[in-house]
Amino acid sequence: DTEVTQTPKHLVMGMTNKKSLKCEQHMGHRAMYWYKQKAKKPPELMFVYSYEKLSINESVPSRFSPECPNSSLLNLHLHALQPEDSALYLCASSRGQGAGEQYFGPGTRLTVT
Amino acid sequence: RKEVEQDPGPFNVPEGATVAFNCTYSNSASQSFFWYRQDCRKEPKLLMSVYSSGNEDGRFTAQLNRASQYISLLIRDSKLSDSATYLCVLFTGFQKLVFGTGTRLLVSP
Repeated sequence: DTEVTQTPKHLVMGMTNKKSLKCEQHMGHRAMYWYKQKAKKPPELMFVYSYEKLSINESVPSRFSPECPNSSLLNLHLHALQPEDSALYLCASSRGQGAGEQYFGPGTRLTVT
Repeated sequence: RKEVEQDPGPFNVPEGATVAFNCTYSNSASQSFFWYRQDCRKEPKLLMSVYSSGNEDGRFTAQLNRASQYISLLIRDSKLSDSATYLCVLFTGFQKLVFGTGTRLLVSP
């Protein structure tokens, strides 16, 4: 099973809402990632979790809050977002943080109104 | 200078053609290299790793030239289903992937 799943597929939220994005993998991977991708741009790394601990935060605004409840799950909590935060949010996993082969989920397409 | 540079294309080729993409990188400490493909409005998918000795996977051949700091991808006998954006990706000493902006390929009948 080489699948990373993400929910929801689409999300529309107002600037005062709180919502969460969810990601799950059952490949036994120990590193998980959140990326943000705008149209016609490459993915931009946001956060890296390694063995359920946050190891990289790419200076992401605090309105994005990651959480790794266990080795299979990764959440991204959203609060007080701005319209410019509208993007495709991709989750990925890899065997370890030192592995370049990453498996991506289908993403959550987020629109902030 | 960008860390990874790719020609954005699009490369328009007929079915059956051979097409090649290059990618240059600036960080000589880059540890490993990959090609990912991304279909429109879909997630990136790993196409292949790139090894110094060059490697082949079916119709796809990847090459790495560390001295000149470029990698290449050759696609033979192009199929309509090869139409996608091809992302050149480096794995750096900072334990993260660095993506190029991608090269768009359009294969026509």
